Amino acid sequence: QKEVEQNSGPLSVPEGAIASLNCTYSDRGSQSFFWYRQYSGKSPELIMSIYSNGDKEDGRFTAQLNKASQYVSLLIRDSQPSDSATYLCAVAGKSTFGDGTTLTVKP
Amino acid sequence: GAVVSQHPSRVICKSGTSVKIECRSLDFQATTMFWYRQFPKQSLMLMATSNEGSKATYEQGVEKDKFLINHASLTLSTLTVTSAHPEDSSFYICSAGVTSGVDYEQYFGPGTRLTVT
Repeated sequence: QKEVEQNSGPLSVPEGAIASLNCTYSDRGSQSFFWYRQYSGKSPELIMSIYSNGDKEDGRFTAQLNKASQYVSLLIRDSQPSDSATYLCAVAGKSTFGDGTTLTVKP
Repeated sequence: GAVVSQHPSRVICKSGTSVKIECRSLDFQATTMFWYRQFPKQSLMLMATSNEGSKATYEQGVEKDKFLINHASLTLSTLTVTSAHPEDSSFYICSAGVTSGVDYEQYFGPGTRLTVT
């Protein structure tokens, strides 16, 4: 079983819509989680971290964590074409990543 | 956020030669550094994890004699691809982890694109 599993993509949403990205993890003891964005040909960029159950908002991004169900999600509101990228979920300290979900925001 | 640099950003070398890639944490001391490889349209693959002053821990299937990792200080780690072959052509990315209180975050360098001819 992979440590981190992400919902299969690719995901396509129209500009202005909400994009929802999901991730499940296998180690119930995991405490901290990250979302990274990776543009084609570039290295990943940390966009959100979350440690506590519930929601964490940062601008148009909201990370949600549910430790009981072992999932973490990322919502992107008012999606923009510049949000088109691959989004990677990671568990802190594990150093392994999900395969990523490729998001395309269509103008 | 913290800044991690990598050098060189792009390198082309001939088959059989060795290439060294440097990774530096610029404004923090990294508890741990990680080396990843990424082939086109594939996910990141962790190659090895290193802590300053100790030997790197390699992931299964990664040849430690081919991919030499040296973690000389809390701000510098190097990856040397020895006797490179065309199949080693890939995007190599380092990452530095830092603990701040109970928080732990991991930041990536910009990557090094290696082409072996």
